[in-house]
Order: sequence, then C-alpha cells, then structure tokens
Amino acid sequence: QSVLTQPPSASGTPGQRVTISCSGSSSNIGSNYVHWYQQLPGTAPKLLIYRNNHRPSGVPDRFSGSKSGTSASLAISGLRSEDEADYYCAAWDDSLSGWVFGGGTDLTVL
Amino acid sequence: EVQLVESGGGLVQPGRSLRLACTASGFTFEDYGFHWVRQAPGKGLEWVSSINWNSDRTDYADSVKGRFTISRDNAKNSLYLQMNSLRVEDTALYYCAKDQRRTVYGAFDMWGQGTMVTVS
Repeated sequence: QSVLTQPPSASGTPGQRVTISCSGSSSNIGSNYVHWYQQLPGTAPKLLIYRNNHRPSGVPDRFSGSKSGTSASLAISGLRSEDEADYYCAAWDDSLSGWVFGGGTDLTVL
Repeated sequence: EVQLVESGGGLVQPGRSLRLACTASGFTFEDYGFHWVRQAPGKGLEWVSSINWNSDRTDYADSVKGRFTISRDNAKNSLYLQMNSLRVEDTALYYCAKDQRRTVYGAFDMWGQGTMVTVS
C-alpha cells in the first residue's frame, strides 16, 4: 500500500486530455513539492514535472502539473501514442523523513 | 556524456551481502545529493535511501533501515549501497538517481539504467 494514492490505470484516445490524480496527506503533499516521473516500457524513470508544475528542459508543454492542499494532478493534453507509460507521483514526507511514491498509473492510449 | 551507471547486482542467497555502485560522469558529482530507488518485478517505484552532497545527511526507508548503508566517494564520482542481511523481498531493479540539489529534497532529475538484485 503506497503512501501516495494514484489510480492504477487511465486511458484516452489520441488528441484527448487525460488527468492523473495523486492523493496524500499533510505530511507529504500538503507541506512539500510534488514531482512526477514517466517510465516508458522497459526503461528507467524520467523526471516529467518538478516542484508541482515545472517542466524540465525537453518535456513538451502538453504535460502540466498542479497541486491543491493534499492532492496533486498531472494533465496530459493532445494525447499521443508515445505517451503510453507508467506515471508516478512523489513527495518528501516529513513524518517518515523520506521520499514516498504513488503506486503508479498505467496510461493506455486507445 | 552525462550519465549514471550502476553495477554490482547479481544473484545472492538470503542473509548474504551485496554492494552496489553507481558511477557518475559528465557533471560535477560533489555538487548534488543522490538516491537509491528500487523496483520489484512488475511493481512500482520504492525509495530506498538518500545522501546529501557531503555525506552528513543520510536517510533510509524503514524496510531497509539497519541493513543497508548508503555512502559516496566524491573523489571517485561514485555512490554506493551496502546491502546486508538480504531478504527475498529485496529482489528488485535498483536505480541510482541524482538530486536536483545538494540536499536530498529536490526532484530526481537523472536516473541510471538500474542493476538487478535477486535474492534467492
């Protein structure tokens, strides 16, 4: 059972907008930044969004992040087949003195 | 080339030890904190341990506390994970990841390809 809660799966058709939620608590999301990682099949994770809503260089602006209270969301607009991947949210947890990840969301492009 | 390369994984019996290494290149290693993250077969990501730039702060997941030790050698651009008293549930692909900052609180902005540890 992960400390951060994500839906196990999500799907959309090409061109659609999909959102992936990440729910936590006051000790993690509520008081620290949320980061999002994309893991394409058979590859290492890659930083997708940092500090709630910032994109690293090279990440398309189709990807965006937001945070409100103890929850965060990742939005992907203009969905493309190459977006099929697992997506993970993560945050520092003050109570655990460590990093916590969501269980991951498997995104399928129909 | 900017990269992280892990090594040291393998097949080990329960109760034995293994030492993982992560060698960095293409950036100033000593300027950043680092992390170990693992992924059991078919499962999600699990944070294992973190170390800041000068080694005066280390953190561990409860699942490995007292058994694993993270360390670094800035002169060798290398990060290590000493794993003792290994258990079957430690079986996973172990990733080395770079922090955006000198501390352990930034996002993980670079990942290695991982090294597989099988405890059986």
